[in-house]
Formats: sequence, C-alpha cells, structure tokens
Amino acid sequence: GQNIDQPTEMTATEGAIVQINCTYQTSGFNGLFWYQQHAGEAPTFLSYNVLDGLEEKGRFSSFLSRSKGYSYLLLKELQMKDSASYLCAVRDPSGGYQKVTFGTGTKLQVIP
Amino acid sequence: DAGVIQSPRHEVTEMGQEVTLRCKPISGHNSLFWYRQTMMRGLELLIYFNNNVPIDDSGMPEDRFSAKMPNASFSTLKIQPSEPRDSAVYFCASSMVPRGPFFGPGTRLTVL
Repeated sequence: GQNIDQPTEMTATEGAIVQINCTYQTSGFNGLFWYQQHAGEAPTFLSYNVLDGLEEKGRFSSFLSRSKGYSYLLLKELQMKDSASYLCAVRDPSGGYQKVTFGTGTKLQVIP
Repeated sequence: DAGVIQSPRHEVTEMGQEVTLRCKPISGHNSLFWYRQTMMRGLELLIYFNNNVPIDDSGMPEDRFSAKMPNASFSTLKIQPSEPRDSAVYFCASSMVPRGPFFGPGTRLTVL
C-alpha cells in the first residue's frame, strides 16, 4: 500500500527559511517528487530525488533519506509568491510499472 | 509543445447525467494518469495507463467511473450517472520515466 504524510499547514515570514517534511511508506520506491500548486491552478514540478542526499535548485532544495522513508523541501529567502500548497509524491515501481501517488499537501502561507 | 490538454475546463451538470472528460497527453509520453482533487481528500490517483494499457484502476471510486485510452494521444474519463459527491477538479497528467507527471490545467466538475 501507499502512505504519504505531510503537515497540513505551515506559516512562515517573508525572507525566512522554511522546511516542509514528508514521510512515506510504500510497497516500492523509485523516486520522490515535490510539486508546487497555487490556488486554482495545476501542480507544477519542483524537484526530483532518487538517491539519498540533497538536491539544490536556486532557492529550493530537496533532501531524501530512503532508509528513513523521509524527505524535506527547503525554501530559502521566502517570497510572498511562495504561498502555495506543496505536494510530496512517490513513484512506486511495484509490478514493473511506475505509479505516482501524492500526499495530501502542505499549505504554506508566507506573511510579511 | 502545448503541454497536456484537457477539455472541458469547466463542467456543470445535473445529478444522473453522463459526464465525459477528455485529455491529450504530451507527445512521446508513455504514462497517463487521471487524478481527482478535493479539499477533503487531496489529490487522489484514479487510474494509470502505461503504453495505452490500464495498469492500476484501484483508485476508481466505483463502477460509475470508467476510463479509456484508445491511442497514445487521447484518453477519456467517463462518469455515468454522475452524483453531487463527484464534484471535484479532475487532472490528467502524462510522463516519461524518470520524469514526474506533467499536469494539464484540470476540469472543474460541479454536479448539482
């Protein structure tokens, strides 16, 4: 089965750093994704981790520990436009295919 | 590339009517996903196709829901008969491993 957990909501201050955690328990694992979704829009891809460690891309970084079933998304120098939901997703290759399942998302509010 | 194309963007119908949602995936992508998003349940995977073949439909709520992919460039999700609890945003997404799903703009369905 699939179980992906994230905090429901977070609030952070403009200019600060915020870390959004994700824990997962899946039958198999072949990659973890983070997506950003603004209200009323479709999710858009942010990052992809398949090996342990930190992947950095500008103000956003994503970390993965496969042994712990844990990932986090780190957002630096927060801007008001970063207010959005952040979705963690896991690809499960069980059965030889590549199913992608999402967590319920973390709604981030950035305040001045 | 035009991205994933979905139609209609908005659909308002009455309980008991048939609803058909359409999706054109990105050319060259071999996986297609149908997701449903609600405030209560987040982004749920309904069905997943690989090379036009349905692989996992365990997320399809019940027999009222059906999905087809007659060729690599077209898929439909049909609800018959529709019920008010089917009201949600339905997303189609496509991908080519190892990349994650690219989402279409979604269809906002309201069943009265």
